[in-house]
Amino acid sequence: DQQVKQNSPSLSVQEGRISILNCDYTNSMFDYFLWYKKYPAEGPTFLISISSIKDKNEDGRFTVFLNKSAKHLSLHIVPSQPGDSAVYFCAAPGGTSYGKLTFGQGTILTVHP
Amino acid sequence: NAGVTQTPKFQVLKTGQSMTLQCAQDMNHEYMSWYRQDPGMGLRLIHYSVGAGITDQGEVPNGYNVSRSTTEDFPLRLLSAAPSQTSVYFCASSYDTPGTGNGELFFGEGSRLTVL
Repeated sequence: DQQVKQNSPSLSVQEGRISILNCDYTNSMFDYFLWYKKYPAEGPTFLISISSIKDKNEDGRFTVFLNKSAKHLSLHIVPSQPGDSAVYFCAAPGGTSYGKLTFGQGTILTVHP
Repeated sequence: NAGVTQTPKFQVLKTGQSMTLQCAQDMNHEYMSWYRQDPGMGLRLIHYSVGAGITDQGEVPNGYNVSRSTTEDFPLRLLSAAPSQTSVYFCASSYDTPGTGNGELFFGEGSRLTVL
């Protein structure tokens, strides 16, 4: 089955600097990965995704990098802003079939003014 | 479009009581799912449905029941509530199944359940 791990429960960054959030997965049977952002008392919202035919995908200040050999994803936010303070989840398809999206434990990002 | 609507937003139950969390989407999405969020555990999949009349179990299905009689609605039933089911529950839907290019999930705002 698929396991998704975000080993850093929290990250603190100064405004204007780069935020780097990391994610590891175990099963590469499916090749589409996603990042979600969640504010308190709200549902998660989609942020950015990447297909395994790419090793990088950019959307404004957000860039996701994929290292398939290491089964590792990272999300870069440049420059970080206080409004980026939220919980970030990475997600990968389940290990044996479509239909299951497995999420990591989440990383709490705090951007200080 | 309202997107994904969950009711109720808050609920307190006593152990052994049953209840249904409602979820409705107006985006004509075939795929719907229920997750629970617990501290340090991320989002864990309870049940999902790839279309009306089709449901399947996720990672943590025990104690929960679902049905999908229409494309729009996907209720989650707690059969006999236990304190371990205290959690925040999120319903989500997508145009296509997760893991595909159109498999981006849209989430509701969540339902906070406390079981005493």
